Amino acid sequence: QSVLTQPPSASGTPGQRVTISCSGSSSNIGSNTVNWYKQLPGTAPKLLIYSNNQRPSGVPDRFSGSKSGSSASLAISGLQSEDEADYYCAAWDDSLNGVVFGGGTKLTVL
Amino acid sequence: QVQLQESGPGLVKPSQTLSLACTVSGASISSGGYYWSWIRQHPGEGLEWIGYIYKSGSTFYNPSLKSRLTISVDTSKNQFSLKLSSVTAADTAVYFCAGTPYSGSPVAIDYWGQGTLVTVSS
Repeated sequence: QSVLTQPPSASGTPGQRVTISCSGSSSNIGSNTVNWYKQLPGTAPKLLIYSNNQRPSGVPDRFSGSKSGSSASLAISGLQSEDEADYYCAAWDDSLNGVVFGGGTKLTVL
Repeated sequence: QVQLQESGPGLVKPSQTLSLACTVSGASISSGGYYWSWIRQHPGEGLEWIGYIYKSGSTFYNPSLKSRLTISVDTSKNQFSLKLSSVTAADTAVYFCAGTPYSGSPVAIDYWGQGTLVTVSS
């Protein structure tokens, strides 16, 4: 049972826009920034979004993040086949005094 | 470019201590300018934060692992390490070492090792 809640799966067709939600509480998302990772099978996660909505260098602007209250979302526009991966949200939790991850969302490009 | 590489036994017996090292290249452990983290992923499951070390000695540990966990640095080898004692099958996972500049957040991890599978079995 992950502290941050994500839907286990999401899907879309090429070119579509999909969003992945991440729900937390006042002790994590509600009071700290949210980060998003992309993980391809058998590889390490890659930082996709940091500080709620900032993209590291090299991440396409098709990826965007937002936060409202104790929830956050990752949006992917112009969906491409290479976007098929697992996506994780992460935040600091003040109550646990540590990093918490969402359970991950498997994105399928149909 | 910072690169990290995990090393250590791939098989550990129950009740023994799991020990992994992460060799860092492209950055100096002794500079104190990074958060050095360990994250694990149980087979087919999500990511679990283990803990991190920074400023060449200060640590933050996952409360659920704290009683069994030690993260330390070896500046002479430019490595940081993980020791998890009294392991059980539940500690079987892919273990990733990771790093992020101190100017950022320990939650926004820029650099990752490739991961190493550790199996706990007799």
